Amino acid sequence: GQSLEQPSEVTAVEGAIVQINCTYQTSGFYGLSWYQQHDGGAPTFLSYNALDGLEETGRFSSFLSRSDSYGYLLLQELQMKDSASYFCAAKYFKTIFGAGTRLFVKA
Amino acid sequence: ETGVTQTPRHLVMGMTNKKSLKCEQHLGHNAMYWYKQSAKKPLELMFVYNFKEQTENNSVPSRFSPECPNSSHLFLHLHTLQPEDSALYLCASSQDLGGGETQYFGPGTRLLVL
Repeated sequence: GQSLEQPSEVTAVEGAIVQINCTYQTSGFYGLSWYQQHDGGAPTFLSYNALDGLEETGRFSSFLSRSDSYGYLLLQELQMKDSASYFCAAKYFKTIFGAGTRLFVKA
Repeated sequence: ETGVTQTPRHLVMGMTNKKSLKCEQHLGHNAMYWYKQSAKKPLELMFVYNFKEQTENNSVPSRFSPECPNSSHLFLHLHTLQPEDSALYLCASSQDLGGGETQYFGPGTRLLVL
């Protein structure tokens, strides 16, 4: 079955740039989404990539390479409030979520 | 506020109880979803409804029974649950089931089964 791989934890300092990678299985793949979830909160949608390339939305960007079955979420000018879990989700016939990457932003 | 509300926000129930979770979306969406989120595990998709019809049931035990009376409301009826069913239950909605749809999540119901 389909599964996604993403790092379990990343730590960075305020103002830095961090990249969270996600690899997925190719068969039946439509696109890749990213969600943010703060502790105790619900997931919120960040971005979706169906085509190769970079999508930029403010400080957050998302990239997809279909040939490499790989995508990433890029967070720039990190702020303390960016500390959260970030999930990639691949759309097949249904949507499969990764286990999440916990981002810790330090002062 | 995402336009998706869930009640109750917290629920404690015994294994012999029957309870229901409610989800309502105010976004005019056609598709609604139930997810289970357990600690240290990926989100698990349980059920999908599109235009009130169930389109997906991901091998969910029969002690979980969904109901979708209309496109705006989704229920999850619970009976004879097990302690391992304790988790955050999230409802979501999307405009449709097409590829690339954005899912909008409710705040979740945190369930504890004793």
